[in-house]
Amino acid sequence: DAGVIQSPRHEVTEMGQEVTLRCKPISGHNSLFWYRQTMMRGLELLIYFNNNVPIDDSGMPEDRFSAKMPNASFSTLKIQPSEPRDSAVYFCASSPTGDSGNTIYFGEGSWLTVV
Amino acid sequence: AQSVTQLGSHVSVSEGALVLLRCNYSSSVPPYLFWYVQYPNQGLQLLLKYTSAATLVKGINGFEAEFKKSETSFHLTKPSAHMSDAAEYFCAVSDKTGTASKLTFGTGTRLQVTL
Repeated sequence: DAGVIQSPRHEVTEMGQEVTLRCKPISGHNSLFWYRQTMMRGLELLIYFNNNVPIDDSGMPEDRFSAKMPNASFSTLKIQPSEPRDSAVYFCASSPTGDSGNTIYFGEGSWLTVV
Repeated sequence: AQSVTQLGSHVSVSEGALVLLRCNYSSSVPPYLFWYVQYPNQGLQLLLKYTSAATLVKGINGFEAEFKKSETSFHLTKPSAHMSDAAEYFCAVSDKTGTASKLTFGTGTRLQVTL
C-alpha cells in the first residue's frame, strides 16, 4: 500500500522566495497533519484538517505560512516569503478519523533549507 | 493540556543489553500514548500505542511498553538491543477531546547501540 507521499524531498531556496510543499495522504484517511521538526523546537504540529477542512491552525508560525487541502487526496503548505529560520524538516501525516487513538502515518518529510 | 517528558536525550547501550527509554505523561484524562521511531533521514514510524486496553503493549521489532497510571509513565523497553535499533525514539500523547489523533511529542531520545 502506498504511504503518505511528500514532495519535494529536498529543497534549497533563497531567502524571500516562495516555497510550496506537497502531500498526498493515504487513501481513505480523512485527517491530515502538517508537522515541522527542528533541532531547537522538536516536532511541532502546524495545522490539521478533517475532511479537507482546517480544524486547528494554532501552530502555524505566522502569516507567511499557509496550508490548503483542495480535495481528499492533496494538500499544500506554502511559505511566502521564506526566511532562513524556516529551515526544517516538514512532515505530512494522515490518519483515519473517528478516534483519537488512531495511528498517524507519516511521510518521509520535505527537507527545506533557506539560505 | 497534555504533555510528555522524555528523560535522557541520549542513551547508549551495548548490543544485547536491555533497552529502557523513559517517558512520563501529564494528562487530566486517561491518555492515549504512543511510541514512534525515526531512523536517519526518514519519517516517523509507529512502534506501539496504548489506548486503554491492556496496560502492557507489545509493538514491532521486539519493543514493548507498560502503562503505569500510578507512576504516570509509559517507558519503552526491549530485552536485547540490536545494532539496527539505533535511531531516535519519540513518546507522544493524543488529545482525546477531538476525533483525530492530534499528537503532542516529547523531545526525543537518541539511542546508540555499541558493539
